[in-house]
Amino acid sequence: DTAVSQTPKYLVTQMGNDKSIKCEQNLGHDTMYWYKQDSKKFLKIMFSYNNKELIINETVPNRFSPKSPDKAHLNLHINSLELGDSAVYFCASSPEGTYQETQYFGPGTRLLVL
Amino acid sequence: AQKITQTQPGMFVQEKEAVTLDCTYDTSDPSYGLFWYKQPSSGEMIFLIYQGSYDQQNATEGRYSLNFQKARKSANLVISASQLGDSAMYFCAMREGPNYGQNFVFGPGTRLSVLP
Repeated sequence: DTAVSQTPKYLVTQMGNDKSIKCEQNLGHDTMYWYKQDSKKFLKIMFSYNNKELIINETVPNRFSPKSPDKAHLNLHINSLELGDSAVYFCASSPEGTYQETQYFGPGTRLLVL
Repeated sequence: AQKITQTQPGMFVQEKEAVTLDCTYDTSDPSYGLFWYKQPSSGEMIFLIYQGSYDQQNATEGRYSLNFQKARKSANLVISASQLGDSAMYFCAMREGPNYGQNFVFGPGTRLSVLP
């Protein structure tokens, strides 16, 4: 009964490949997020998405694209992987609402690009 | 400009002692929430405690309390009676309101090491 789940947990791939990371939440939340955590542990938001709006961090390369088949899923697709994409990617979700609502994280996907 | 500042990259504390992790924030929005998350070495992000900008009292959750000083724009996390399992990265985050969809902004984190 995991609240926010991600697959795969580990992903090792070659530069230039295309890969996807899946995220599912069973909390009934309206908003989902993708974060990138670099080697220095800094967390950077990449996207936030609910059934009304996709908000993209302008610094995210357009090789990254979120895809949401339904409210409970927000997958991350990455084209033409680069060495600098190696990081931990976290999915999170929160209820639609105000600043008072916290968010809940998935376990993370450790991506290594060779 | 950094919206969340955590000036302590690393902290050490003796087991059973209390420790304060600093967090200062920057916002002009009167409505905001402040959050602390713990990230142990296993990697997951765990929500610890929340403080709203209009809350009159400091938030507490078990051994965690938040020292909220609104005028100074600080929201320090206090962990009482530290345990070895408290060794982790700790992140302060802010969400500005009041509208939905406002994103979270995270600080750079503080690595806490609890010594036996």
